[in-house]
Amino acid sequence: AQSVSQHNHHVILSEAASLELGCNYSYGGTVNLFWYVQYPGQHLQLLLKYFSGDPLVKGIKGFEAEFIKSKFSFNLRKPSVQWSDTAEYFCAVNAPYSSASKIIFGSGTRLSIRP
Amino acid sequence: DTGVSQDPRHKITKRGQNVTFRCDPISEHNRLYWYRQTLGQGPEFLTYFQNEAQLEKSRLLSDRFSAERPKGSFSTLEIQRTEQGDSAMYLCASSEDQYSGYTFGSGTRLTVV
Repeated sequence: AQSVSQHNHHVILSEAASLELGCNYSYGGTVNLFWYVQYPGQHLQLLLKYFSGDPLVKGIKGFEAEFIKSKFSFNLRKPSVQWSDTAEYFCAVNAPYSSASKIIFGSGTRLSIRP
Repeated sequence: DTGVSQDPRHKITKRGQNVTFRCDPISEHNRLYWYRQTLGQGPEFLTYFQNEAQLEKSRLLSDRFSAERPKGSFSTLEIQRTEQGDSAMYLCASSEDQYSGYTFGSGTRLTVV
């Protein structure tokens, strides 16, 4: 079964700093990878997703993620964060060709941006 | 509103009572998922429907939990004989297929006192 690890539980940055949130997954077959964001008081929203093709995926609000198959990683990046990026970020994976194709989520990384 | 709707938004119940939550997915989506989220954790999978068929149920889910999607549209999640450990946010999501990301509802926050 697939699983997801997010090693940073809480990240604190100043505005304009660069961001990289780590995500590693475990599954030997074909995967789809996702980053979801949950702003305070709001529901989970899809930030970006990787299915196939270019391993560098661009999402909304200037976020991007890079799929490195050899490292089983899908790290989220943003060159310059804003105060409005304060939120909880969840990495997620599913195995679309397996019998259990639901999305599995990591435990999340809380991002706090100091104005 | 074309998003996923969940009702109620909040539910406070006494231990031992039964509760039922409703989810209305996006109408074109034939896949519907229930997740549970507790503070500081990511969403934890509970169960999944494709149309009206319940195709997968988490092994962590006790038999006090049951879900239905009788006509392949809305779904209900019932918890019988609630326990304090059932307190959590219950999330519903829907998708078109296994390649798409999910669209989540706002959730139902359950507090068992």
